[in-house]
Amino acid sequence: DAKTTQPPSMDCAEGRAANLPCNHSTISGNEYVYWYRQIHSQGPQYIIHGLKNNETNEMASLIITEDRKSSTLILPHATLRDTAVYYCIVRGGNAGNMLTFGGGTRLMVKP
Amino acid sequence: GAVVSQHPSWVICKSGTSVKIECRSLDFQATTMFWYRQFPKQSLMLMATSNEGSKATYEQGVEKDKFLINHASLTLSTLTVTSAHPEDSSFYICSAVTGGNEQFFGPGTRLTVL
Repeated sequence: DAKTTQPPSMDCAEGRAANLPCNHSTISGNEYVYWYRQIHSQGPQYIIHGLKNNETNEMASLIITEDRKSSTLILPHATLRDTAVYYCIVRGGNAGNMLTFGGGTRLMVKP
Repeated sequence: GAVVSQHPSWVICKSGTSVKIECRSLDFQATTMFWYRQFPKQSLMLMATSNEGSKATYEQGVEKDKFLINHASLTLSTLTVTSAHPEDSSFYICSAVTGGNEQFFGPGTRLTVL
């Protein structure tokens, strides 16, 4: 699976949008971009994933560049409960493809 | 999303004993489950891939005789840490793959070996 690069930490003001970048320049054509987050001492929580098109759900939006070499996760109105480590992961489309976790971005939402 | 449970959520044991951790997919069947562990301030590290009805596939450096994995049904995988030692103390997390190829994680099991 392709590697990803994320900033180690970010701050965001409560109520503002949090934009978390991710670089995956070696992504291949059949690999998806997944985002998970992990709140302290809990298992990772699925947020969103995409292949080529931008995606939106009740939690977040995922913007993937046209060349697919980078993406941005957007939390439109961050709350204190969004403080967590956010992982951007590139994964193939088969069930046997595991998720390989990098260092992630530690997002701190501040009042 | 799909629900994955783990039991126990935490366990403290004496050195040399064995500990079994269960991972269940509650509302879906999972042919494939994964086991990870996470040390403090580190990311998740994949230990093994568990496939229903077949032997688990272990990552390099993970001892298969020490970390026994059994995936006897489509909703249950177990990880047994045999002859646990203090260095095995960690946060153990499982995940299960749905029929739609999505992967959901359990809440984790914190193991402390005294």
